[in-house]
Amino acid sequence: DAGITQSPRHKVTETGTPVTLRCHQTENHRYMYWYRQDPGHGLRLIHYSYGVKDTDKGEVSDGYSVSRSKTEDFLLTLESATSSQTSVYFCAISTGPSYEQYFGPGTRLTVT
Amino acid sequence: GESVGLHLPTLSVQEGDNSIINCAYSNSASDYFIWYKQESGKGPQFIIDIRSNMDKRQGQRVTVLLNKTVKHLSLQIAATQPGDSAVYFCAVHNNAGNMLTFGGGTRLMVKP
Repeated sequence: DAGITQSPRHKVTETGTPVTLRCHQTENHRYMYWYRQDPGHGLRLIHYSYGVKDTDKGEVSDGYSVSRSKTEDFLLTLESATSSQTSVYFCAISTGPSYEQYFGPGTRLTVT
Repeated sequence: GESVGLHLPTLSVQEGDNSIINCAYSNSASDYFIWYKQESGKGPQFIIDIRSNMDKRQGQRVTVLLNKTVKHLSLQIAATQPGDSAVYFCAVHNNAGNMLTFGGGTRLMVKP
């Protein structure tokens, strides 16, 4: 998975609790992305980062925040998890916006 | 904006036959296209890409064809093998944004 790890790989949490997912890369790529994948919707971009402390919203950013304090780490936080945020979350990295993205193994999140 | 669709949700082929998976996109400003393969429980895996200044690109057993006139992209897999069984989806970039738009995916099933 191109030097990308995600943690945790699986998580079950209750509605209303905060959740943080971590993406770590060893490739020193400038761009990092968070996607969610749901049946019938394909991959949808939540947030992305184009450098340390530089982030922007994607297609489905409501209810999510991100932070990038180091090149290698990109955190996705659900401030107050809802059942609609049950999904598989993928992190991806790339050298630029019009270059291939490499994906991590994913985190399966269930909000009960 | 950009919408990306796929022509068939499921494609079943005989082992050894060639497979063709199609993708349509909507934005004529799209300039970069990627095909991904996703096996069950794993993250998407980069297969091949093509830029808008080309109409064909070949890799190992795979060929991507781009028809900008009708905004259509296809992935051809030669001599399909059981290990090719997966979901395939295209991703499209346009130069107005820093993100890819992903299609919904076609499930390729290879019959022995």
